[in-house]
Amino acid sequence: GQNIDQPTEMTATEGAIVQINCTYQTSGFNGLFWYQQHAGEAPTFLSYNVLDGLEEKGRFSSFLSRSKGYSYLLLKELQMKDSASYLCAVTRYSTLTFGKGTMLLVSP
Amino acid sequence: GAVVSQHPSWVICKSGTSVKIECRSLDFQATTMFWYRQFPKQSLMLMATSNEGSKATYEQGVEKDKFLINHASLTLSTLTVTSAHPEDSSFYICSAPGLAGGPSTDTQYFGPGTRLTVL
Repeated sequence: GQNIDQPTEMTATEGAIVQINCTYQTSGFNGLFWYQQHAGEAPTFLSYNVLDGLEEKGRFSSFLSRSKGYSYLLLKELQMKDSASYLCAVTRYSTLTFGKGTMLLVSP
Repeated sequence: GAVVSQHPSWVICKSGTSVKIECRSLDFQATTMFWYRQFPKQSLMLMATSNEGSKATYEQGVEKDKFLINHASLTLSTLTVTSAHPEDSSFYICSAPGLAGGPSTDTQYFGPGTRLTVL
């Protein structure tokens, strides 16, 4: 089976840095995705990690430790538009299993 | 990048009717597409894997006779909710695995979703 845990909600202020953690326990593992989802919209791709380490892409970075079953998404220089749900998803043979998502609220 | 469309974007229907949702890959071919369902404040739950030229694979607990899936071509998959009931009201999203140019062939590109409300 698969079990993916991430915090339900987080709050931060504009311009700050926030780290969203994700832990997983899976029977198989190809890689880990982070998606952003605004209310009422489909998820959009943010990052993909298959090897241990940090992947940086602009204001967003994602880290993976396969041995610890742990990942985090780091958002820098937060903007109001970053208020959304952030979904951690584990992939196995092209099948994605999603965590419940972390609702991030960015305030002025 | 890979673009996936869905139609309709929202639909309201009466209980007992059937609703068809289309998922199209616009600029690439997809032998496999995925159908998800998302209830308010819940995560996406995989319902089934749609396979071009063969039967769909359903996740445990999903009724195959209620949620009919047809992968008619390499760019089109349809989900038909038969005899819809209020508890079927949800956000239905399809996705297709990406191809070269994306970070991974496992990367899935999502359609914009279909909001189904059953009265």
